[in-house]
Amino acid sequence: SQQGEEDPQALSIQEGENATMNCSYKTSINNLQWYRQNSGRGLVHLILIRSNEREKHSGRLRVTLDTSKKSSSLLITASRAADTASYFCATDASGGSYIPTFGRGTSLIVHP
Amino acid sequence: DTAVSQTPKYLVTQMGNDKSIKCEQNLGHDTMYWYKQDSKKFLKIMFSYNNKELIINETVPNRFSPKSPDKAHLNLHINSLELGDSAVYFCASSSYLEPNTEAFFGQGTRLTVV
Repeated sequence: SQQGEEDPQALSIQEGENATMNCSYKTSINNLQWYRQNSGRGLVHLILIRSNEREKHSGRLRVTLDTSKKSSSLLITASRAADTASYFCATDASGGSYIPTFGRGTSLIVHP
Repeated sequence: DTAVSQTPKYLVTQMGNDKSIKCEQNLGHDTMYWYKQDSKKFLKIMFSYNNKELIINETVPNRFSPKSPDKAHLNLHINSLELGDSAVYFCASSSYLEPNTEAFFGQGTRLTVV
C-alpha cells in the first residue's frame, strides 16, 4: 500500500501566521484525509477531500488536492498556540481495500 | 463515552515476555486497525480486519497477531517481545461500508520493552 509523505517535517511559526503543510502520494486515490495528533494522544480527523474535489474548507482549515501532481496541502490560517501538534495526511488506494495509510507527519509549533 | 478505547495506556515489560493490548470500539464500525508509531512518529499500518478479511502488512513479524472475539474488539497479541517492539500502538476503527469517512483512533498504548 502507498503512504502519504508530509513536508516539511517540522514547522515553527508565530501565533497569527499561516501554516502550510504538504502531502505527496504515489498512486491513484479515492480520497485524502488530514489528521491531527497532539503530543501523547491519538489521531483526530480534521478534513476529508475526495479525488474529484480540488479544494475544501473547514473553519480555519483549507485543503487543496491536485491529483495530477499527486499532492495535497493543508493551510491553517491565523494559527494559535493550541494548533501546536503533528499533522498527518492519510491516503487510500482506489480499487482496493480501504486502509488509511499515513506518513511521518509534519510537526507544527506555534509560538504565542 | 470513549469511541475507541485501548488498555493499558502504558506497558513496561521484559524481553521475551508475551503481552496483549486490548481495543474496543462502540461506534458500530465493522473494520478495525492496529498501527505502530515509532520514535520518529512514523505511523505504520500493521493489520486491518473486518468480518470478511484480515489484511496483514507483510513487514509485521508473525510474533504479532490480532484476535477479534467479536465485531467491537480487536486485541493485539505479541509473543517473545523484543527491544525493537518498543513503540506506541494505536487501535482505530472505521466503516467498511462507508470508505469515504474518517477513522477513529484510540489514545494509544506506549509499550516499553526492557
